[in-house]
Amino acid sequence: KAGVTQTPRYLIKTRGQQVTLSCSPISGHRSVSWYQQTPGQGLQFLFEYFSETQRNKGNFPGRFSGRQFSNSRSEMNVSTLELGDSALYLCASRRVGGPSGELFFGEGSRLTVL
Amino acid sequence: AQRVTQPEKLLSVFKGAPVELKCNYSYSGSPELFWYVQYSRQRLQLLLRHISRESIKGFTADLNKGETSFHLKKPFAQEEDSAMYYCALIDAGGTSYGKLTFGQGTILTVHP
Repeated sequence: KAGVTQTPRYLIKTRGQQVTLSCSPISGHRSVSWYQQTPGQGLQFLFEYFSETQRNKGNFPGRFSGRQFSNSRSEMNVSTLELGDSALYLCASRRVGGPSGELFFGEGSRLTVL
Repeated sequence: AQRVTQPEKLLSVFKGAPVELKCNYSYSGSPELFWYVQYSRQRLQLLLRHISRESIKGFTADLNKGETSFHLKKPFAQEEDSAMYYCALIDAGGTSYGKLTFGQGTILTVHP
């Protein structure tokens, strides 16, 4: 079974731009969560989607948004980029009926904001 | 608010020595605790969860609700155990599902 796939793996943007990151969960997984990883703050929860609905949300500004499609693929968008948005963005999926907290992570999308 | 603390950023031991990675948490509800591990050039993966009460790769972790701790232990460390370890918490009684609170992580280095 293919693992969680994230694209692009690396990208560079400038302040004020926007970015869209994509995540394809493991086949059969319908829950997708997004995390931001930085050296200073560690891993922080952004949001979670299940069946195209946002189920949980972390403490991030409204510039961070996401969505999920009917095939369970998910995208997250960050608008008006700031230098502090430079981070590794991790996507994780969870299988239907699987235990809460048992997540399968992708390799991440590394965003650099200049 | 829930919080997970891993007091050691770095931990070094020699092969064959016991190892203990500390994790303390604060949460008023009913938590479920996990250890995730990230080996070099690999993705973050689940190592074990407290309710499973199982040993994975020789590692065990016991939830101590009195001390609000969930330390990860292994009696004899191996070089392949070198990795970044994250302790994480989820609300077991709610609808958190994929919403984990992570500690800052501990880098374990096992020397030959």
